[in-house]
Amino acid sequence: GQQVMQIPQYQHVQEGEDFTTYCNSSTTLSNIQWYKQRPGGHPVFLIQLVKSGEVKKQKRLTFQFGEAKKNSSLHITATQTTDVGTYFCAGHFTGNQFYFGTGTSLTVIP
Amino acid sequence: DGGITQSPKYLFRKEGQNVTLSCEQNLNHDAMYWYRQDPGQGLRLIYYSQIVNDFQKGDIAEGYSVSREKKESFPLTVTSAQKNPTAFYLCASSSRTGGADTQYFGPGTRLTVL
Repeated sequence: GQQVMQIPQYQHVQEGEDFTTYCNSSTTLSNIQWYKQRPGGHPVFLIQLVKSGEVKKQKRLTFQFGEAKKNSSLHITATQTTDVGTYFCAGHFTGNQFYFGTGTSLTVIP
Repeated sequence: DGGITQSPKYLFRKEGQNVTLSCEQNLNHDAMYWYRQDPGQGLRLIYYSQIVNDFQKGDIAEGYSVSREKKESFPLTVTSAQKNPTAFYLCASSSRTGGADTQYFGPGTRLTVL
């Protein structure tokens, strides 16, 4: 069935190190969205990718959508303590079906 | 965030009791959603509604019920049939824009069944 797999589940990094989380689907996505949930908070929309091979940047965050539109990544350069939280992808399929990935929980060690 | 309210923030209930979680939005969004989040897990869709007086089951609808009598409101009832109801419940809404719907989440209700 249509699912979105996300890895890793947890990531601990030293402050200043880079961080990447990946989402993969077995079937082609119409678009993919990324959300961030701070500890104790609720998910907040970060960005949406629609085009094959699309790359978008938000300051230290770089989002990529694969050429086949089956995978996506979020990369954070030089992590800061404010980056702590869980990052979710949400893959949208045709027919308005969508699935959230299981999330990657990021811990930044000062 | 912004325009979606959930109440209460924390809720305690005895086992066997039904409980209704409130979700209200003033964003004029057509679609509304209920998710359940367990520790270390992602968001699992319980129910969603794309229009007033219509709703669809999500992946884990058993033991839950909803209503959508008004555009602004989408309450979720956790019934006694739900075997493990203790969880963090998130409501979201979205505007239907070409099928690529950004979801706006409420602050959530943390339900504990004793």
